Amino acid sequence: EVQLVQSGAEVKKPGESLKISCKGFGYSFTGKWIAWVRQMPGKGLEWVGIIYPGDSDTRYSPSFQGQVTISVDNSINTAYLQWSSLKASDTAIYYCAREMSSPIRGNWFDPWGQGTLVTVSS
Amino acid sequence: EIVLTQSPGSLSLSPGETATLSCRASQSVLSNYLAWYQQKPGQAPRLLIYGASSRATGIPDRFSGSGSGTDFTLTISRLEPEDFAVYYCQQFGGSPPYTFGQGTRLEIK
Repeated sequence: EVQLVQSGAEVKKPGESLKISCKGFGYSFTGKWIAWVRQMPGKGLEWVGIIYPGDSDTRYSPSFQGQVTISVDNSINTAYLQWSSLKASDTAIYYCAREMSSPIRGNWFDPWGQGTLVTVSS
Repeated sequence: EIVLTQSPGSLSLSPGETATLSCRASQSVLSNYLAWYQQKPGQAPRLLIYGASSRATGIPDRFSGSGSGTDFTLTISRLEPEDFAVYYCQQFGGSPPYTFGQGTRLEIK
């Protein structure tokens, strides 16, 4: 079964650093893009960025460029989303998702990880 | 960046009725590269439709997607109690970011 398993909930203080993870199972991890999506409390989905594990090619939404870093460790089939200095406004659930693609049908996200709740509070 | 606008923001219907959800793009979506997702409270989103009209594995045929260019529709026929959730569209046209619509909340009447 293809699945993405994310790390557990985190509670941090403003200014602290954080790295959350997303481990892939059941498919060739290096062959598919992995995306990160933010969902702030009670709000919708926001596309953060994406990485291709095969060559670490990474793209960021302009809204998140410079605010987060996406990386991978292919030896353990894991993608990461990290912050160097958290803000209260980073409080959200962060999902990872595998991007699938087809020349005719385009792209889509499937499956999704279960989400990691990040709470930033003093 | 392509902006997706979903309407209505919320929809109140009874089981057995048909729901029609709209997703409008600020510019044409390349080759109809549009997906729909369902999200229930406390759960991750789940893929319903990709390529504007192809159902994902395991999705009942009560769910159908249509549209092209800038106007797309998700139709849910014969609503079941488990269908009441929030629905998002997402576009994959052109370059990232591959934006989402703001969501439509489908509520039980």
